[in-house]
Amino acid sequence: EDKVVQSPLSLVVHEGDTVTLNCSYEVTNFRSLLWYKQEKKAPTFLFMLTSSGIEKKSGRLSSILDKKELFSILNITATQTGDSAVYLCAVANLGGATNKLIFGTGTLLAVQP
Amino acid sequence: DGGITQSPKYLFRKEGQNVTLSCEQNLNHDAMYWYRQDPGQGLRLIYYSQIVNDFQKGDIAEGYSVSREKKESFPLTVTSAQKNPTAFYLCASSRHREQPSYEQYFGPGTRLTVT
Repeated sequence: EDKVVQSPLSLVVHEGDTVTLNCSYEVTNFRSLLWYKQEKKAPTFLFMLTSSGIEKKSGRLSSILDKKELFSILNITATQTGDSAVYLCAVANLGGATNKLIFGTGTLLAVQP
Repeated sequence: DGGITQSPKYLFRKEGQNVTLSCEQNLNHDAMYWYRQDPGQGLRLIYYSQIVNDFQKGDIAEGYSVSREKKESFPLTVTSAQKNPTAFYLCASSRHREQPSYEQYFGPGTRLTVT
């Protein structure tokens, strides 16, 4: 059975800290891994990773994929209170022409002032 | 502004009643999805549709029904057969089938409470 596992489930840090969120997967027909940030409601897209070893970066956030070891990490440096959210990892499993995503349970990040 | 809208934001129903959640998108996306989110369980796929007049069951379709009569609209009906309907429901869409994109765009969600 396909699965995506995120760790830790929750994390509390102070502003200015650096955090690393983990996502491991066991998925047949892997195509891409996506990271989303969910605050109060709609998840918003952060990154999509398809190739191993190529870091994607956006401001203080960065992510990398290891297709050999089947995991990805999301790094946030110099955290701010606005980074508090649930971070969701999802893997695209291409069966036929289906754009299906398999989601992990998410990591709840709380950044304290 | 392009995007996905869901209504209502909050919905309360009595047990035994069917309820329909609305999802509309003006992104010209072919594919649309319904997810359910419960605490500690992430997003689980209920139904998805790749083109008009066609849809497939996801991982937890029992007790739900959908229709896709228009490209822009993908309403979800939560029937009385759904054992635990109280949850946060998210609708999403993604780009054309000819150029599949794994990035899904999400609506703001509907929080359904059934008592």
